[in-house]
Amino acid sequence: RKEVEQDPGPFNVPEGATVAFNCTYSNSASQSFFWYRQDCRKEPKLLMSVYSSGNEDGRFTAQLNRASQYISLLIRDSKLSDSATYLCVVNEGHNFNKFYFGSGTKLNVKP
Amino acid sequence: NAGVTQTPKFRVLKTGQSMTLLCAQDMNHEYMYWYRQDPGMGLRLIHYSVGEGTTAKGEVPDGYNVSRLKKQNFLLGLESAAPSQTSVYFCASSSAGQGYEQYFGPGTRLTVT
Repeated sequence: RKEVEQDPGPFNVPEGATVAFNCTYSNSASQSFFWYRQDCRKEPKLLMSVYSSGNEDGRFTAQLNRASQYISLLIRDSKLSDSATYLCVVNEGHNFNKFYFGSGTKLNVKP
Repeated sequence: NAGVTQTPKFRVLKTGQSMTLLCAQDMNHEYMYWYRQDPGMGLRLIHYSVGEGTTAKGEVPDGYNVSRLKKQNFLLGLESAAPSQTSVYFCASSSAGQGYEQYFGPGTRLTVT
């Protein structure tokens, strides 16, 4: 079983739409959670960290559900520039220097 | 402040050849990592280092060696390249401890023929 699982997509949405991604993780001891964005043929870059209380950054909202072991990312009012692959990343609790990456969810925002 | 840099950006090797990928960071980070990314798969950890002079195996270490002689540099070596090592290699660094994000280099695209 993979440590982190994501729906690969692609999610094809029109501009202005709201879209949500989920990610599940297998290690209940995981402590830190992140969403990274990766553009085609580029390196991953941090989009946002995910806190227990949930957090929002502009059009982006991240939620953590420890009981069900999943995190989510909600994008409101999608822009063409949001087209990318979104990676779910989990930091293992006992070895905080180990990060586990999902294979990513591809988002295509169409005009 | 360049962040994390990697050299080379591209390389083509023949089976059996060796090479070294260089990663450098100027953020004074304790932790450094080497990942590979293959189509349809998440980033997989090859080796990592929690400080100068220390290295450890990750998820897929076979066929690779690493060294961290200086805090700012992390080298990844391929001793005898195989076609299965065709991939995109990313180096990353982070501060020590819980909850810190990783910063990535731009990647090295390696093809082994």
